[in-house]
Amino acid sequence: AQKITQTQPGMFVQEKEAVTLDCTYDTSDPSYGLFWYKQPSSGEMIFLIYQGSYDQQNATEGRYSLNFQKARKSANLVISASQLGDSAMYFCAMRDPSGGYNKLIFGAGTRLAVHP
Amino acid sequence: DVKVTQSSRYLVKRTGEKVFLECVQDMDHENMFWYRQDPGLGLRLIYFSYDVKMKEKGDIPEGYSVSREKKERFSLILESASTNQTSMYLCASSGRAEAFFGQGTRLTVV
Repeated sequence: AQKITQTQPGMFVQEKEAVTLDCTYDTSDPSYGLFWYKQPSSGEMIFLIYQGSYDQQNATEGRYSLNFQKARKSANLVISASQLGDSAMYFCAMRDPSGGYNKLIFGAGTRLAVHP
Repeated sequence: DVKVTQSSRYLVKRTGEKVFLECVQDMDHENMFWYRQDPGLGLRLIYFSYDVKMKEKGDIPEGYSVSREKKERFSLILESASTNQTSMYLCASSGRAEAFFGQGTRLTVV
């Protein structure tokens, strides 16, 4: 069955340092997409970054990069130069076309706290 | 500007009531989703729809139903609300790229 696993319920990092949030996934389909979302305390879900399963290079968006290791089925989010405003919940998600439905499933999330 | 709109931000309903949560998107997306979010459990998929009048069960469909009569609107129905359905409900829509979310509905069943 398709599944997203985020093993870190909570993480903390010093301001200006880099942090890696872990995500592993499970799917039997060779074509899939991986996403990271940020959810601040206000509740809205903010799209951060996307990686397609056939993309040759790791995705980057500003201070966010995705460390995509296909053989290990991992898609870790790296945030460089952390800022206080990065404190939030972070969710890894997968679009899994198994069965032809493009179902979008999420992990349990990691709460990141950035300390000054 | 892309938009997914949920009809209510906060709702309080009584046990046994029939509850409708409405979601509208303006992006002409085929796929729409309903999730519930609970602390420590992340977002769990209740139902999704990939076309008008088409729906599929997600991971936790029990106690819920959905309706998609028009492409832009996807409704979640709690046939007989119970206290264990107190939660944050999030609607999302997606095309070929990322999903866009509504602001969420915090439902309390008393």
